[in-house]
Amino acid sequence: DADVTQTPRNRITKTGKRIMLECSQTKGHDRMYWYRQDPGLGLRLIYYSFDVKDINKGEISDGYSVSRQAQAKFSLSLESAIPNQTALYFCATSEPGLAGKYTDTQYFGPGTRLTVL
Amino acid sequence: AQSVTQLDSQVPVFEEAPVELRCNYSSSVSVYLFWYVQYPNQGLQLLLKYLSGSTLVKGINGFEAEFNKSQTSFHLRKPSVHISDTAEYFCAVSEQGGSEKLVFGKGTKLTVNP
Repeated sequence: DADVTQTPRNRITKTGKRIMLECSQTKGHDRMYWYRQDPGLGLRLIYYSFDVKDINKGEISDGYSVSRQAQAKFSLSLESAIPNQTALYFCATSEPGLAGKYTDTQYFGPGTRLTVL
Repeated sequence: AQSVTQLDSQVPVFEEAPVELRCNYSSSVSVYLFWYVQYPNQGLQLLLKYLSGSTLVKGINGFEAEFNKSQTSFHLRKPSVHISDTAEYFCAVSEQGGSEKLVFGKGTKLTVNP
């Protein structure tokens, strides 16, 4: 079974609708991230969370909100979807840096392809 | 703030040829550097990383990268590519002692032709 899962894998919705993308992980990592990927733009960070009580805005948080329901679950919401939010969305997790070392290898889910009409 | 530039958006090569994917970064402090690979219809996975020590880093699937601090580069190389290496490759940087966020480049799409 995959360590990082995302649901749904594909979603088509209309402008103005509220959408929630869900991410679950079985890796036991404290840190979770949401990115969006657009062709030719790479990955851009939307929100990240270092533990259940710690939520931080990333580079492009406008129009998005998140909820960290538990260590294993991190949801991304689009309160009122618009067409330029059409993209591929990835959830990722990472381990904290070990004493004296820093790893920050991130483990990615398979992605959710969202289309807003 | 740090930034990453991947100089080539697409790189076509023939099978068994060598390849180099170029990455330059900008930062006012020391950095950690990463290469991730994304196979078609999949998420990203770590290929290799430079944290400290030897500037030549070896990763999975025969890839290696060399950290060059004076040129602020971290180019990815493979001496002989296979069809299965066709994927998109992302260079990423994180500042030492910073917020531990990754900043990704825009990606290089490697296509290996028979």
